[in-house]
Amino acid sequence: SQTIHQWPATLVQPVGSPLSLECTVEGTSNPNLYWYRQAAGRGLQLLFYSVGIGQISSEVPQNLSASRPQDRQFILSSKKLLLSDSGFYLCAWTPGVEKLFFGSGTQLSVL
Amino acid sequence: DQQVKQNSPSLSVQEGRISILNCDYTNSMFDYFLWYKKYPAEGPTFLISISSIKDKNEDGRFTVFLNKSAKHLSLHIVPSQPGDSAVYFCAASLEGNTGKLIFGQGTTLQVKP
Repeated sequence: SQTIHQWPATLVQPVGSPLSLECTVEGTSNPNLYWYRQAAGRGLQLLFYSVGIGQISSEVPQNLSASRPQDRQFILSSKKLLLSDSGFYLCAWTPGVEKLFFGSGTQLSVL
Repeated sequence: DQQVKQNSPSLSVQEGRISILNCDYTNSMFDYFLWYKKYPAEGPTFLISISSIKDKNEDGRFTVFLNKSAKHLSLHIVPSQPGDSAVYFCAASLEGNTGKLIFGQGTTLQVKP
């Protein structure tokens, strides 16, 4: 069966520090991968999605970037975190045309 | 500008009664709608969905209703159980059943024994 791993569960970072969140999917190949974020009081917002290695689409302009160095690995990064980057980050995957399967999320607090 | 809105942050119902969670949207081009459920410290999990060509979809205790003229979506849970206590997100898609979704803010449902 397929599983998605996302870590860490919580993270506290100072403003201006770098960020790297990693997500891996097991038990499938060539998944579509997604990064979502939920800011306080708002719905989940799609940040990035990828349909293949090295293929990244950004949905909203922001201080973050994403990379997909391997088929089942998706990384969310920032060179310098802002206060506004705080939120709950979720990685997700689909086999293609099907419902999203989410990881357990990372609660990021930028102080 | 939020295209998908859940205007009730929370809802409390008695076990055995009906829970009705509501969702409004603004974009008439949405063609697929979904409900996800989220427990604390876990990612959301898919609950039920509906295509814009339908007005109702049922799966066990869960029924989703779509009113396109009102741009309104609702989830009915009958009967409600304490294990249904969670945050419920509605979501909409412009590209069918894909992972590119626009979510509402979520409604926290508490089902009291």
